[in-house]
Amino acid sequence: AQKVTQAQTEISVVEKEDVTLDCVYETRDTTYYLFWYKQPPSGELVFLIRRNSFDEQNEISGRYSWNFQKSTSSFNFTITASQVVDSAVYFCALSEVSGYSTLTFGKGTMLLVSP
Amino acid sequence: KAGVTQTPRYLIKTRGQQVTLSCSPISGHRSVSWYQQTPGQGLQFLFEYFSETQRNKGNFPGRFSGRQFSNSRSEMNVSTLELGDSALYLCASSLGGLAGQETQYFGPGTRLLVL
Repeated sequence: AQKVTQAQTEISVVEKEDVTLDCVYETRDTTYYLFWYKQPPSGELVFLIRRNSFDEQNEISGRYSWNFQKSTSSFNFTITASQVVDSAVYFCALSEVSGYSTLTFGKGTMLLVSP
Repeated sequence: KAGVTQTPRYLIKTRGQQVTLSCSPISGHRSVSWYQQTPGQGLQFLFEYFSETQRNKGNFPGRFSGRQFSNSRSEMNVSTLELGDSALYLCASSLGGLAGQETQYFGPGTRLLVL
């Protein structure tokens, strides 16, 4: 069965520090999709990125970057020069082609950025 | 384009009662999924509807049910409420076409408190 592990429960950094959130996944499917979502205190999950299993290119979007490594089943997320507004819970999720729209989430990593 | 909307945003019920939550997807989206979020279990998939049909179901008791209408709006119902049903219930919508690969966009959630 599919599984997503986010080993870091909580991370605290000072503004402008770089921070990496780890995500390790398990799946038997050869075709799957990985996602990152951000959940601010308001509760709504905000979509950040989607990556399919055939595309191992790293991606950068502003201060955000993602490192997908199939060999280690990891999909890590780095925030460069963190800001207070980045404080939130971040979830990594997996979707298998065989599972329609079902997302399997990790437990989330709470990121606290202090000024 | 309006996002996913959920009503009500907050709800307080007592044990044994039943509750109905509503979700309106993004215009044009035909798939609606429901998730339960609790501090202990994290985010768990409840069920997914596509074109008024339940396409996938998570591991929840039969007290949890849902339906989807012809305009893609969805409702979920929980009967005989238990204290453990207190949670944030999140609805997500997607186009619902190809399995697994589509991004799900989440609503703000309904916070249910069972006393």
